[in-house]
Amino acid sequence: KNEVEQSPQNLTAQEGEFITINCSYSVGISALHWLQQHPGGGIVSLFMLSSGKKKHGRLIATINIQEKHSSLHITASHPRDSAVYICAVGYEKLTFGTGTRLTIIP
Amino acid sequence: GAVVSQHPSWVICKSGTSVKIECRSLDFQATTMFWYRQFPKQSLMLMATSNEGSKATYEQGVEKDKFLINHASLTLSTLTVTSAHPEDSSFYICSARDYRNTEAFFGQGTRLTVV
Repeated sequence: KNEVEQSPQNLTAQEGEFITINCSYSVGISALHWLQQHPGGGIVSLFMLSSGKKKHGRLIATINIQEKHSSLHITASHPRDSAVYICAVGYEKLTFGTGTRLTIIP
Repeated sequence: GAVVSQHPSWVICKSGTSVKIECRSLDFQATTMFWYRQFPKQSLMLMATSNEGSKATYEQGVEKDKFLINHASLTLSTLTVTSAHPEDSSFYICSARDYRNTEAFFGQGTRLTVV
């Protein structure tokens, strides 16, 4: 069993829909990261959180330390949100989930 | 925000040759940089941790003599793939931590193809 599990693996939605991507982990952590990887491969760090909730524009990330679970939400999704979203745990050395491939259809 | 620049973004090389990949933190000092490898449709795997001025720490299964890491300054780390083989073809990406704000910043990645 992977230390970091993401669901779903693939998600296709219509433009404007509310998107939720989930991440569960089995190890004790100091921080959890949400990353975005575009088709070219480049990675952007979206959030790093260790408790509660963070919001940046249309993106919201929450974490429940007791349940070892985090969610990434995208409101009013747009085709440019299409990417692979990766959950990673750790402070400096990161352990990555396998990613969720999100496709937003116009 | 902080920027990490990785160069080149892609490279094709012949088997047996060596390839150097650079990772630079442009507007902050990164005492520690990390090198990851990603095979198609797989998650990123940590290869090694690079500390400025000292030897890199390699993860289990990563050959230190094949993947040479140098971190000579607070803003530059290099990964050299020596005697490259086709199975080394992969996507290599670095990251650096800005100790001022604890976020992880990633380079753009390098797609290596060994022919």
